[in-house]
Amino acid sequence: NAGVTQTPKFRILKIGQSMTLQCTQDMNHNYMYWYRQDPGMGLKLIYYSVGAGITDKGEVPNGYNVSRSTTEDFPLRLELAAPSQTSVYFCAAHRGRLSTDTQYFGPGTRLTVL
Amino acid sequence: GENVEQHPSTLSVQEGDSAVIKCTYSDSASNYFPWYKQELGKRPQLIIDIRSNVGEKKDQRIAVTLNKTAKHFSLHITETQPEDSAVYFCAATYRLSSNTGKLIFGQGTTLQVKP
Repeated sequence: NAGVTQTPKFRILKIGQSMTLQCTQDMNHNYMYWYRQDPGMGLKLIYYSVGAGITDKGEVPNGYNVSRSTTEDFPLRLELAAPSQTSVYFCAAHRGRLSTDTQYFGPGTRLTVL
Repeated sequence: GENVEQHPSTLSVQEGDSAVIKCTYSDSASNYFPWYKQELGKRPQLIIDIRSNVGEKKDQRIAVTLNKTAKHFSLHITETQPEDSAVYFCAATYRLSSNTGKLIFGQGTTLQVKP
């Protein structure tokens, strides 16, 4: 049981390039989230999903897209990378309602856009 | 609005002393309040959480208290050790839809425990 895994661990992009950050969980959890953490700051919600086929925007969705074709996978897509997207990205998952179930984080992807 | 305020931003204590970090939240409907510890370059790790039907919860040297009337909750670490040095984040749930919510995080507290 690996929990929540993310790839890659590190990536450097040039302005205007695109990439997909991968997130996979093997806990069969319904709810998945993408956060970004800027240096010295807390986490901001980008997108979330309550189950396969259902996604919605969080606090800072601009410049990102997501899909949820399976329960296990929740990839985050950057289409036109900008320096403002330099951050550490965390994926998280939990089984049911947050009021009753713990949210688990993946190890993170450190992205630099130059 | 959706807001969690966390204080202090930095905290330095001597080994063996206690440390207290406080958070306030804005939504009276929030009902779940986790605390995360994040070491440098690592993911946030849940260390303790409290749900709105209790006022205090303890786990060895760590305790969390909740005051729903005042909309604040606090993390207490007793007998601090150098390995407690890290960034600590509080969070509170805010409703997204009828069947899920999101966590709003505080700005973080950098705790330094001096040997």
